[in-house]
Amino acid sequence: AQSVTQLGSHVSVSEGALVLLRCNYSSSVPPYLFWYVQYPNQGLQLLLKYTSAATLVKGINGFEAEFKKSETSFHLTKPSAHMSDAAEYFCAVTKSGGFKTIFGAGTRLFVKA
Amino acid sequence: SAVISQKPSRDICQRGTSLTIQCQVDSQVTMMFWYRQQPGQSLTLIATANQGSEATYESGFVIDKFPISRPNLTFSTLTVSNMSPEDSSIYLCSVSITGQSTDTQYFGPGTRLTVL
Repeated sequence: AQSVTQLGSHVSVSEGALVLLRCNYSSSVPPYLFWYVQYPNQGLQLLLKYTSAATLVKGINGFEAEFKKSETSFHLTKPSAHMSDAAEYFCAVTKSGGFKTIFGAGTRLFVKA
Repeated sequence: SAVISQKPSRDICQRGTSLTIQCQVDSQVTMMFWYRQQPGQSLTLIATANQGSEATYESGFVIDKFPISRPNLTFSTLTVSNMSPEDSSIYLCSVSITGQSTDTQYFGPGTRLTVL
């Protein structure tokens, strides 16, 4: 069975500081991995996804994530946080041949001025 | 990409009543999904809405409680029946254009339901 674990339900950073949101996956087959962002009172939107091409994936708004098979991780990073990055971030996984997406518990990012 | 709208955006309902939520997509899509997001929690898949056939429900969700319709490739409804306060949640519609496992899911803005 597939699953994702997001370490830290809340992360707080200062504006301009590095953002690091952690995601570890469990999958018996090569996974496809996604990061979604949810702003208050909105639906989710895709930040980036890994689909077995390049292991370093660049997304929107300056975010990127690196797929590390040896660590079963897909952590999300951004070099410099902006106030507008404050939101809930979800890591998600699907598997080849399937269509069901499993979402992690989410990490709420706070950005301090 | 796909743009999704949901109606209503929010509602406050009495215990024992039912509410039907509509999901409209601006283009034809292969798969439509209904999720529940309880306060402060992640998304839980309720069912996959299949065009022309019955929906496929996840464990813990049943058709009598959450009947779903999908009459065409751009529209679906989810009904929350015989509501109780435990049904208070955000209900999200999402779509996969191609139905492939690498496909991005596009989400509607959600319907915020409060049951008194």
